[in-house]
Amino acid sequence: DIQMTQSPSTLSASVGDRVTITCRASQSISSWLAWYQQKPGKAPKLLISDVSNLESGVPSRFSGSGSGTQFTLTISSLQPDDFATYYCQQYKNLYTFGQGTKLEI
Amino acid sequence: EVQVVESGGGLVQPGRSLRLSCAASGFTFDDYAMQWVRQAPGKGLEWVSGINWNSGSVGYADSVKGRFTISRDNAKNSLYLQMNSLRPEDTALYYCAKAAGVKWLQETMTWWGQGTLVTVSS
Repeated sequence: DIQMTQSPSTLSASVGDRVTITCRASQSISSWLAWYQQKPGKAPKLLISDVSNLESGVPSRFSGSGSGTQFTLTISSLQPDDFATYYCQQYKNLYTFGQGTKLEI
Repeated sequence: EVQVVESGGGLVQPGRSLRLSCAASGFTFDDYAMQWVRQAPGKGLEWVSGINWNSGSVGYADSVKGRFTISRDNAKNSLYLQMNSLRPEDTALYYCAKAAGVKWLQETMTWWGQGTLVTVSS
């Protein structure tokens, strides 16, 4: 099984900050990596697929990078709407999610 | 507008069964694979099961294999999850999700419902 480890688990930041969330896979997943955003009481929303492909309607302040086993999600300038929990997901071999990163003020 | 609406959750005793449903609209249902993903209270996301567009291929997480069965009825734009031999650790919010393509493997989950809560407790 492929394990996904996110860091940090919690991230405190302010509006306007640039933040980076890291996701590490236990083995190479090539580019089979997605990022989801989940707000309290809401369903997850797909932000990025294939490491860096922004989904339609997702603001350009979100970006993804990486390959193999190490990946990052960057938000260039935090907006109030961005405070949420973020999950990485590998989809090379079945599906595994990271444990989540809660982005809070 | 794409919509997936789950139903069928509730309180059930350990060892009993429950059947979840997911009604889809706003897209051509039989053009897409579908998935079930769950989230235990206060916890992260766990993939449960997936099914191809034509039911020709299905997959399950090890944690539910042999107990859960996924199915779909394209004529009714509906997805199902039959859950047998339920355990307390199956307690979670169960999400129905639309895949990005026709197969359940190696696809992102592009649209999610709001979930239906399953509580397994005596």
